[in-house]
Amino acid sequence: GNSVTQMEGPVTLSEEAFLTINCTYTATGYPSLFWYVQYPGEGLQLLLKATKADDKGSNKGFEATYRKETTSFHLEKGSVQVSDSAVYFCALRNQGGKLIFGQGTELSVKP
Amino acid sequence: EAGVVQSPRYKIIEKKQPVAFWCNPISGHNTLYWYRQNLGQGPELLIRYENEEAVDDSQLPKDRFSAERLKGVDSTLKIQPAELGDSAVYLCASSLEQGGSSYNSPLHFGNGTRLTVT
Repeated sequence: GNSVTQMEGPVTLSEEAFLTINCTYTATGYPSLFWYVQYPGEGLQLLLKATKADDKGSNKGFEATYRKETTSFHLEKGSVQVSDSAVYFCALRNQGGKLIFGQGTELSVKP
Repeated sequence: EAGVVQSPRYKIIEKKQPVAFWCNPISGHNTLYWYRQNLGQGPELLIRYENEEAVDDSQLPKDRFSAERLKGVDSTLKIQPAELGDSAVYLCASSLEQGGSSYNSPLHFGNGTRLTVT
């Protein structure tokens, strides 16, 4: 079946550090891939998406590239800010199927 | 545009009591979802509606959970009776999904209802 695996958190970084949150998936067919972010006390928000192999999604300085050969969709940001502290969820969706989430990775950025 | 609205924000009940959650999706969104999110985990789908029809309720524990989406707009999710293990955040989401590219459509989530069963 379809599944998503993320690196375990919490991830603690200093401001301006480089961020990578690993995400790998198992799926039949050609799913769309998403990163959602959940800030404290708020609902999940779409951060970025990619719909086919080699696509790069980007938003707010975050990027992720759909790598079919490694079944990965790692999230990166060159310089994190305190305001990026949140829980990040990787997710996939096949055509006609449901959105399946990873377990989430908590990011804490210290000044 | 106004986002997905859920109420109540928090609910504390004793086990065996009933509880209901309400969701108002984004205007015009034809697809509505209920997810459950346990502490430290990702959301898991309970039920998906396309307009008024429940098209995927395979993960809904039907012995105690029920849901409805009257007139294809607002939705309610009910638990009766609640058990200790039902403590979680219940999330509602909506999206506009049309045609073959529906799986590219992002879901818009509400802030959720945090349920505590004591």
